[in-house]
Amino acid sequence: QSVLTQPPSVSEAPRQRVTISCSGSSSNIGSNSVYWYQQLPGEAPKLLIYYDDLLPSGVSDRFSGSKSGTSASLAISGLQSEDEADYYCATWDDSLNGVVFGGGTKLTVL
Amino acid sequence: QLQLQESGPGLEKPSETLSLTCTVSGGSISSSNYYWGWIRQPPGKGLEWIGSIDYSGSTYYNPSLKSRVTISVDTSKNQFSLKLSSVTAADTAVYYCARQGDTAMDYLDYWGRGTLVTVSS
Repeated sequence: QSVLTQPPSVSEAPRQRVTISCSGSSSNIGSNSVYWYQQLPGEAPKLLIYYDDLLPSGVSDRFSGSKSGTSASLAISGLQSEDEADYYCATWDDSLNGVVFGGGTKLTVL
Repeated sequence: QLQLQESGPGLEKPSETLSLTCTVSGGSISSSNYYWGWIRQPPGKGLEWIGSIDYSGSTYYNPSLKSRVTISVDTSKNQFSLKLSSVTAADTAVYYCARQGDTAMDYLDYWGRGTLVTVSS
């Protein structure tokens, strides 16, 4: 069981918008920045969102991040088949004194 | 362009010590602005942070692995390494090395391609 809770899977049609939630606690999301990673099949993870809502250079602005209290969300608009991947949230946990990841969410573009 | 490459045996026997090295190219590991981390992913499962180190050797470890993990840095070779002792089948995973920001709390922005380590007799 992961410290951060994500839905195991989400699905949506092309060109639609989908959100992936990440639920934590006051010792992690509630007090530290949230990061999102995209892992395409057979590849290494790639940084998608940092410091809750910032996009690294080269990441499509179809991706956006937000945080409220002890929860965070990743939104993907204008879904494309190439967005099919596993998505992970991550942050620092002050109680564990370490990086924690969510269990990951598999996105299927119908 | 910064690149990271994991290397090491792909097969370990139970109770042995797993040893992996991450070679950094296109940038200096001696930069005081970054930490360097190890993350693993068992087949078909999610990501697990193992630990992180900076150029001076300051380390942070996952509490669940701390008793078995040692991460070290060799600035002369631009490498950092992972040792995981007393391995079992549960340690079978793809092991990734990655660069973090200026603290161990920071994001992982450059990743290696990963190397599969199988623990089996």
